[in-house]
Amino acid sequence: AQSVTQLDSHVSVSEGTPVLLRCNYSSSYSPSLFWYVQHPNKGLQLLLKYTSAATLVKGINGFEAEFKKSETSFHLTKPSAHMSDAAEYFCVVSPLGTYKYIFGTGTRLKVLA
Amino acid sequence: GAVVSQHPSRVICKSGTSVKIECRSLDFQATTMFWYRQFPKQSLMLMATSNEGSKATYEQGVEKDKFLINHASLTLSTLTVTSAHPEDSSFYICSAREKQGSGTQYFGPGTRLLVL
Repeated sequence: AQSVTQLDSHVSVSEGTPVLLRCNYSSSYSPSLFWYVQHPNKGLQLLLKYTSAATLVKGINGFEAEFKKSETSFHLTKPSAHMSDAAEYFCVVSPLGTYKYIFGTGTRLKVLA
Repeated sequence: GAVVSQHPSRVICKSGTSVKIECRSLDFQATTMFWYRQFPKQSLMLMATSNEGSKATYEQGVEKDKFLINHASLTLSTLTVTSAHPEDSSFYICSAREKQGSGTQYFGPGTRLLVL
């Protein structure tokens, strides 16, 4: 069965320091992987997606993620956090051959001034 | 591009009444739309998958007679919560997948439902 695990429910960083949000997936075949961001009481915005092309995926707002098959990971990073990055982040796996999304439990990012 | 809207953004209703939520893809045709429910500080739970012109496919544990889904066109899907009760209060989010595209889903801004 496909699943996705976000290892940290909460992450706090200081403004200007790097961000690392961890995500591991389990999948029998190479899935599509996504990161979405949700600000309070808002819908989800796509940050980036991996669909079996380049393993290092660049997204919006300076975020990027690296697909590592050997580690079954798809961690989200950003070199320098901004106050506006404070939000909930979801890692999503979409199994090959389906259009369904399987959501991780989310990581709440807090950015300290 | 790829904008999805939802209406209303917020609704308060009395217990026993029905509430309709609309989900529209504004600048693309959506073969498939999805309805999710999100409880406070939790992840999204898929309720049903809606394909244009056919019956929706409901996830296990979701009552299809309570959550009526209609996908009458390639740009509109509706979710009707029938005979709403306080436990139906939640944040409902729809998403849409492009007819000609990858599996990427584009999400609406969500509808906050409060049943008194």
